[in-house]
Amino acid sequence: AQSVSQHNHHVILSEAASLELGCNYSYGGTVNLFWYVQYPGQHLQLLLKYFSGDPLVKGIKGFEAEFIKSKFSFNLRKPSVQWSDTAEYFCAVNGGSGGYQKVTFGIGTKLQVIP
Amino acid sequence: ETGVTQSPTHLIKTRGQQVTLRCSSQSGHNTVSWYQQALGQGPQFIFQYYREEENGRGNFPPRFSGLQFPNYSSELNVNALELDDSALYLCASSNQGQGAGNTIYFGEGSWLTVV
Repeated sequence: AQSVSQHNHHVILSEAASLELGCNYSYGGTVNLFWYVQYPGQHLQLLLKYFSGDPLVKGIKGFEAEFIKSKFSFNLRKPSVQWSDTAEYFCAVNGGSGGYQKVTFGIGTKLQVIP
Repeated sequence: ETGVTQSPTHLIKTRGQQVTLRCSSQSGHNTVSWYQQALGQGPQFIFQYYREEENGRGNFPPRFSGLQFPNYSSELNVNALELDDSALYLCASSNQGQGAGNTIYFGEGSWLTVV
Protein backbone atom coordinates (compact mmCIF):
# COMPACT_ATOMS: atom_id res chain seq x y z
CA ALA A 1 0.00 0.00 0.00
CA GLN A 2 1.18 3.49 -0.72
CA SER A 3 1.16 6.26 1.89
CA VAL A 4 2.29 9.86 2.20
CA SER A 5 3.44 11.70 5.29
CA GLN A 6 3.66 15.48 5.49
CA HIS A 7 5.60 16.67 8.50
CA ASN A 8 4.31 20.19 8.97
CA HIS A 9 0.59 20.74 9.27
CA HIS A 10 0.67 24.49 9.75
CA VAL A 11 3.51 26.81 8.76
CA ILE A 12 3.63 30.56 9.28
CA LEU A 13 6.27 32.60 7.45
CA SER A 14 6.98 36.23 6.79
CA GLU A 15 7.18 37.43 3.20
CA ALA A 16 10.60 36.81 1.59
CA ALA A 17 11.36 33.92 3.95
CA SER A 18 12.45 30.62 2.46
CA LEU A 19 10.07 27.67 2.47
CA GLU A 20 10.65 23.96 2.73
CA LEU A 21 7.75 21.55 3.23
CA GLY A 22 8.62 17.96 4.01
CA CYS A 23 7.05 14.96 2.33
CA ASN A 24 7.90 11.28 2.71
CA TYR A 25 6.20 8.47 0.89
CA SER A 26 5.95 4.76 1.21
CA TYR A 27 5.60 2.50 -1.81
CA GLY A 28 7.44 -0.57 -2.96
CA GLY A 29 7.68 0.19 -6.65
CA THR A 30 8.18 3.01 -9.12
CA VAL A 31 6.29 6.09 -8.07
CA ASN A 32 5.13 9.30 -9.56
CA LEU A 33 5.15 12.24 -7.16
CA PHE A 34 3.14 15.43 -7.13
CA TRP A 35 2.65 18.61 -5.19
CA TYR A 36 -0.78 20.20 -5.41
CA VAL A 37 -1.85 23.56 -4.03
CA GLN A 38 -5.32 24.62 -2.94
CA TYR A 39 -5.82 28.36 -2.59
CA PRO A 40 -8.69 29.46 -0.35
CA GLY A 41 -11.99 28.74 -2.07
CA GLN A 42 -10.35 27.26 -5.15
CA HIS A 43 -9.79 23.80 -6.59
CA LEU A 44 -6.66 21.71 -6.35
CA GLN A 45 -4.00 22.83 -8.80
CA LEU A 46 -0.87 20.99 -9.86
CA LEU A 47 2.31 22.76 -8.74
CA LEU A 48 4.82 20.25 -10.06
CA LYS A 49 5.34 16.57 -10.71
CA TYR A 50 8.12 14.02 -10.87
CA PHE A 51 7.91 10.98 -13.12
CA SER A 52 11.54 10.20 -13.98
CA GLY A 53 14.83 11.85 -14.93
CA ASP A 54 16.28 14.87 -13.16
CA PRO A 55 15.32 14.55 -9.48
CA LEU A 56 15.16 18.32 -9.11
CA VAL A 57 11.83 19.39 -10.51
CA LYS A 58 10.81 22.97 -11.16
CA GLY A 59 7.17 23.94 -11.08
CA ILE A 60 5.02 26.99 -11.41
CA LYS A 61 5.32 30.17 -9.34
CA GLY A 62 8.96 29.58 -8.42
CA PHE A 63 8.41 26.31 -6.58
CA GLU A 64 10.74 23.34 -6.89
CA ALA A 65 10.99 19.91 -5.33
CA GLU A 66 13.74 17.36 -5.00
CA PHE A 67 13.16 13.63 -5.24
CA ILE A 68 15.60 11.73 -3.01
CA LYS A 69 14.98 8.06 -3.64
CA SER A 70 17.16 6.82 -0.78
CA LYS A 71 15.17 8.88 1.69
CA PHE A 72 11.75 8.31 0.07
CA SER A 73 11.35 12.08 0.16
CA PHE A 74 9.97 14.75 -2.15
CA ASN A 75 10.32 18.06 -0.31
CA LEU A 76 8.88 21.26 -1.71
CA ARG A 77 10.95 24.44 -1.66
CA LYS A 78 10.68 28.09 -2.56
CA PRO A 79 13.52 30.56 -1.92
CA SER A 80 11.29 33.55 -1.14
CA VAL A 81 7.58 33.28 -0.37
CA GLN A 82 4.96 35.90 -1.11
CA TRP A 83 1.68 36.69 0.61
CA SER A 84 -0.11 35.16 -2.41
CA ASP A 85 1.45 31.78 -1.57
CA THR A 86 -0.91 31.47 1.38
CA ALA A 87 -2.67 28.19 0.66
CA GLU A 88 -2.80 24.53 1.56
CA TYR A 89 -0.19 22.28 -0.03
CA PHE A 90 -0.64 18.57 -0.63
CA CYS A 91 2.03 16.04 -1.46
CA ALA A 92 0.72 13.06 -3.43
CA VAL A 93 2.01 9.77 -4.77
CA ASN A 94 0.73 7.66 -7.61
CA GLY A 95 2.08 4.16 -7.50
CA GLY A 96 -0.58 2.51 -9.59
CA SER A 97 0.36 0.04 -12.27
CA GLY A 98 -1.24 -0.38 -15.64
CA GLY A 99 -4.42 1.58 -15.93
CA TYR A 100 -4.97 2.00 -12.21
CA GLN A 101 -4.18 5.57 -11.25
CA LYS A 102 -4.94 5.79 -7.53
CA VAL A 103 -3.34 8.86 -6.06
CA THR A 104 -2.71 8.98 -2.34
CA PHE A 105 -2.54 12.41 -0.75
CA GLY A 106 -0.89 13.58 2.41
CA ILE A 107 -2.90 15.37 5.06
CA GLY A 108 -1.81 18.75 3.73
CA THR A 109 0.21 21.68 5.07
CA LYS A 110 -1.46 25.02 5.61
CA LEU A 111 0.95 27.82 4.76
CA GLN A 112 0.23 31.30 6.04
CA VAL A 113 2.47 34.09 4.74
CA ILE A 114 2.41 37.28 6.75
CA PRO A 115 3.03 40.53 4.84
CA GLU B 1 -9.02 26.14 -15.69
CA THR B 2 -8.61 22.38 -15.79
CA GLY B 3 -11.57 21.64 -18.06
CA VAL B 4 -13.07 19.34 -15.43
CA THR B 5 -16.53 20.54 -14.44
CA GLN B 6 -18.64 19.34 -11.56
CA SER B 7 -22.22 19.90 -10.52
CA PRO B 8 -23.80 20.89 -8.29
CA THR B 9 -21.29 23.09 -6.50
CA HIS B 10 -23.12 22.99 -3.17
CA LEU B 11 -25.97 20.93 -1.82
CA ILE B 12 -27.58 20.00 1.46
CA LYS B 13 -29.16 16.60 2.05
CA THR B 14 -30.82 14.90 4.99
CA ARG B 15 -29.41 11.79 6.64
CA GLY B 16 -30.71 8.67 4.90
CA GLN B 17 -31.26 10.37 1.55
CA GLN B 18 -29.43 9.62 -1.67
CA VAL B 19 -27.29 12.02 -3.72
CA THR B 20 -25.91 12.07 -7.25
CA LEU B 21 -22.92 14.21 -8.17
CA ARG B 22 -21.86 14.78 -11.76
CA CYS B 23 -18.57 15.35 -13.52
CA SER B 24 -17.51 16.15 -17.06
CA SER B 25 -13.92 15.22 -17.71
CA GLN B 26 -11.38 17.26 -19.59
CA SER B 27 -11.59 16.88 -23.34
CA GLY B 28 -9.52 13.90 -24.48
CA HIS B 29 -9.43 12.29 -21.05
CA ASN B 30 -10.83 8.77 -20.74
CA THR B 31 -10.40 8.14 -17.01
CA VAL B 32 -12.31 9.64 -14.14
CA SER B 33 -11.61 9.23 -10.45
CA TRP B 34 -13.50 10.51 -7.44
CA TYR B 35 -12.09 11.73 -4.13
CA GLN B 36 -13.63 12.74 -0.82
CA GLN B 37 -12.00 15.61 1.06
CA ALA B 38 -13.28 16.05 4.58
CA LEU B 39 -12.48 19.24 6.46
CA GLY B 40 -8.86 19.34 7.54
CA GLN B 41 -7.94 16.24 5.56
CA GLY B 42 -6.31 15.45 2.26
CA PRO B 43 -8.41 14.00 -0.55
CA GLN B 44 -9.20 10.30 -0.11
CA PHE B 45 -9.53 8.09 -3.19
CA ILE B 46 -13.03 6.65 -3.63
CA PHE B 47 -12.82 4.89 -7.00
CA GLN B 48 -11.76 5.21 -10.60
CA TYR B 49 -13.56 4.54 -13.86
CA TYR B 50 -11.93 3.66 -17.16
CA ARG B 51 -13.88 2.73 -20.27
CA GLU B 52 -17.11 2.72 -18.30
CA GLU B 53 -15.88 0.19 -15.75
CA GLU B 54 -14.68 0.63 -12.20
CA ASN B 55 -11.03 -0.42 -12.15
CA GLY B 56 -9.94 0.63 -8.70
CA ARG B 57 -11.54 1.38 -5.38
CA GLY B 58 -10.46 2.89 -2.09
CA ASN B 59 -11.73 2.09 1.38
CA PHE B 60 -15.34 3.19 0.90
CA PRO B 61 -18.49 1.12 1.48
CA PRO B 62 -20.70 -0.17 -1.36
CA ARG B 63 -23.24 2.61 -0.81
CA PHE B 64 -20.71 4.73 -2.72
CA SER B 65 -21.19 3.80 -6.37
CA GLY B 66 -20.52 5.37 -9.71
CA LEU B 67 -21.01 5.34 -13.42
CA GLN B 68 -18.99 6.42 -16.41
CA PHE B 69 -20.74 7.18 -19.67
CA PRO B 70 -19.52 6.70 -23.27
CA ASN B 71 -18.55 10.38 -23.43
CA TYR B 72 -16.37 9.74 -20.32
CA SER B 73 -18.49 11.90 -18.04
CA SER B 74 -19.23 10.36 -14.68
CA GLU B 75 -21.59 10.23 -11.73
CA LEU B 76 -20.96 9.52 -8.08
CA ASN B 77 -23.94 8.15 -6.18
CA VAL B 78 -24.11 7.89 -2.41
CA ASN B 79 -27.02 6.05 -0.80
CA ALA B 80 -28.22 6.15 2.80
CA LEU B 81 -26.32 9.35 3.54
CA GLU B 82 -24.64 9.68 6.91
CA LEU B 83 -23.52 12.82 8.70
CA ASP B 84 -19.87 11.85 8.13
CA ASP B 85 -20.43 11.95 4.38
CA SER B 86 -20.35 15.74 4.63
CA ALA B 87 -17.30 16.70 2.60
CA LEU B 88 -15.99 18.17 -0.62
CA TYR B 89 -16.24 15.61 -3.41
CA LEU B 90 -13.62 16.01 -6.09
CA CYS B 91 -13.66 14.61 -9.57
CA ALA B 92 -10.39 14.18 -11.44
CA SER B 93 -9.69 13.19 -15.00
CA SER B 94 -6.68 11.80 -16.76
CA ASN B 95 -5.83 10.04 -19.97
CA GLN B 96 -4.78 6.42 -19.75
CA GLY B 97 -2.67 5.00 -22.52
CA GLN B 98 0.13 7.51 -22.30
CA GLY B 99 2.16 5.26 -20.07
CA ALA B 100 2.88 5.60 -16.39
CA GLY B 101 2.72 8.92 -14.70
CA ASN B 102 -0.38 10.47 -16.21
CA THR B 103 -1.22 13.72 -14.52
CA ILE B 104 -4.68 14.02 -13.10
CA TYR B 105 -6.62 17.26 -13.20
CA PHE B 106 -9.20 18.17 -10.60
CA GLY B 107 -12.53 19.92 -10.82
CA GLU B 108 -13.63 22.50 -8.29
CA GLY B 109 -15.62 19.99 -6.34
CA SER B 110 -19.12 19.58 -4.97
CA TRP B 111 -19.68 20.56 -1.36
CA LEU B 112 -22.10 18.12 0.28
CA THR B 113 -23.58 18.85 3.69
CA VAL B 114 -25.62 16.12 5.37
CA VAL B 115 -27.89 17.27 8.17
